[in-house]
Amino acid sequence: DTTVKQNPRYKLARVGKPVNLICSQTMNHDTMYWYQKKPNQAPKLLLFYYDKILNREADTFEKFQSSRPNNSFCSLYIGSAGLEYSAMYLCASSRGGPSQNTLYFGAGTRLSVL
Amino acid sequence: GDSVTQTEGPVTVSESESLIINCTYSATSIAYPNLFWYVRYPGEGLQLLLKVITAGQKGSSRGFEATYNKETTSFHLQKASVQESDSAVYYCALGRNNYAQGLTFGLGTRVSVFP
Repeated sequence: DTTVKQNPRYKLARVGKPVNLICSQTMNHDTMYWYQKKPNQAPKLLLFYYDKILNREADTFEKFQSSRPNNSFCSLYIGSAGLEYSAMYLCASSRGGPSQNTLYFGAGTRLSVL
Repeated sequence: GDSVTQTEGPVTVSESESLIINCTYSATSIAYPNLFWYVRYPGEGLQLLLKVITAGQKGSSRGFEATYNKETTSFHLQKASVQESDSAVYYCALGRNNYAQGLTFGLGTRVSVFP
């Protein structure tokens, strides 16, 4: 089973309110990723967890938080949503190690901030 | 930083015709990155189409082929005869290094195949 599951598929949020997106995988992958996808833009890596170590991209460092309480589960947290956060959020996982960066993606959560 | 440039869509082709989607890359984090084509079919998530990790090698899947050309830094995707079921968005991507540090994607190319 190569399934990455994301919940919910669609989420509505108010400006200034927090948002929490959820992702899970049952493949025992040691790395989990969060990407942001906006229309007419390439998917953009926000952060990833390698085992318990969180790596956040420099240009989104302060905008997103994440937690990974166990190997299977990873969340993406926005403390105060702004209109610019409206996007599709893609979760992915992979086995770590050399040449093992094939990512398996979930179907995504579409976030609309109003 | 790393970047990927691919054919701007949308691309429209008729069934049984050939398809080529151009992809060129620029990698600063690693000399010879792993190269990927991902595809997103309507209503589905991104999924791996093919992957090549060695320069000069060719990858193939579902009738699609792509050759890793380090001289021209290209990884064009080709199919000799497309089907309606190939209608999708295709993304070229490179591995940021050979460890699990994610992928850098191109903008994606939407392909519509008409019967």
